[in-house]
Amino acid sequence: GQSLEQPSEVTAVEGAIVQINCTYQTSGFYGLSWYQQHDGGAPTFLSYNALDGLEETGRFSSFLSRSDSYGYLLLQELQMKDSASYFCAVENSGGYQKVTFGIGTKLQVIP
Amino acid sequence: EADIYQTPRYLVIGTGKKITLECSQTMGHDKMYWYQQDPGMELHLIHYSYGVNSTEKGDLSSESTVSRIRTEHFPLTLESARPSHTSQYLCASSEPTARGNEQFFGPGTRLTVL
Repeated sequence: GQSLEQPSEVTAVEGAIVQINCTYQTSGFYGLSWYQQHDGGAPTFLSYNALDGLEETGRFSSFLSRSDSYGYLLLQELQMKDSASYFCAVENSGGYQKVTFGIGTKLQVIP
Repeated sequence: EADIYQTPRYLVIGTGKKITLECSQTMGHDKMYWYQQDPGMELHLIHYSYGVNSTEKGDLSSESTVSRIRTEHFPLTLESARPSHTSQYLCASSEPTARGNEQFFGPGTRLTVL
């Protein structure tokens, strides 16, 4: 089976940097994704890591360490609109490449 | 721009009614999914499909059923709705790319069973 752990809530100040961690256990790891979901909205894709290292997309970066079964999402220059839930999702390497989502981290950005 | 649609967006019905939640995508994706999500909570995979005539149950036990007769259409049916089915239902589709199986989500159907 697969399991993921991420903090349930994080609070950070506008303009600051915040890191949301995700650890996972899975048989046949293929990749780790991050999704953002605003209250009342649908999840939207942010980033994907299949190999170790850092992927940068504007203010958002995502990191993966396959040997540690660990990844994180880094949000820089926080804005109020970044207040949302952030889900890590692990993709396995089975024939169907199933995706399992974590519980989500609710980020609150304060002035 | 993702093109995945769900209808209805909101539905309030009485116990025992049969309902079908519609999901359609115009991206030609083979993989489609149904998730159940309570407010502020995690997404639970209840059904998925890897192509026409392929459907599988997800991790969360569900009394719903799905069908996949056409690539673009993946409806979910509840034969007899109960208050415990009250939740948000999200449909998604994906195709393997350099960004893994990036999932595109529809806007969701918020179901309330009285």
